[in-house]
Amino acid sequence: AQTVTQSQPEMSVQEAETVTLSCTYDTSESDYYLFWYKQPPSRQMILVIRQEAYKQQNATENRFSVNFQKAAKSFSLKISDSQLGDAAMYFCAHGDGGATNKLIFGTGTLLAVQP
Amino acid sequence: DADVTQTPRNRITKTGKRIMLECSQTKGHDRMYWYRQDPGLGLRLIYYSFDVKDINKGEISDGYSVSRQAQAKFSLSLESAIPNQTALYFCATSAASGRPYEQYFGPGTRLTVT
Repeated sequence: AQTVTQSQPEMSVQEAETVTLSCTYDTSESDYYLFWYKQPPSRQMILVIRQEAYKQQNATENRFSVNFQKAAKSFSLKISDSQLGDAAMYFCAHGDGGATNKLIFGTGTLLAVQP
Repeated sequence: DADVTQTPRNRITKTGKRIMLECSQTKGHDRMYWYRQDPGLGLRLIYYSFDVKDINKGEISDGYSVSRQAQAKFSLSLESAIPNQTALYFCATSAASGRPYEQYFGPGTRLTVT
């Protein structure tokens, strides 16, 4: 069965610093997708970044980037120049890429940003 | 206006009551999903639908039912609510082509069963 593991329940970072959130997953598929979602106190789920497994290049979206290690089944999120607005729960998710497009979510990492 | 809307945003109900959560979308997506979020458990899939005639169970469908009234509307029902169904419920949509793996979420419904 597909699983997604986020081993850091909580993290803290100083404003303007860099933080990395960890995620590992387990799958037997070769074609799949990985995502990081942000959930601020408003509870809205916001897509931060996506990675297609067939792409070797790590995805980047402004201050957010990933380190995708396919062989190790690792997908970490790096937030550079952290801002107060980055404080949120972050979820890693795996999409099977098949007909169902179901997402399997990790348990989340709560990120605090200290001024 | 939001692309995916959910009503109500918050609801308190009593054990044994029937309750319906509604989801509407203007994204034109064919695929719709219902998830529940519990602290420490992330989001888990309850039901999903690829079109009006295609509805499938997710990993935690027991105690829930759904109705796809139209392409844009997907409702989740709790026939007889129980306290452990207290959770945050999300509706999501995705396209059938293009980027079908990318899901867009509604604002969530906070349900409390007393």
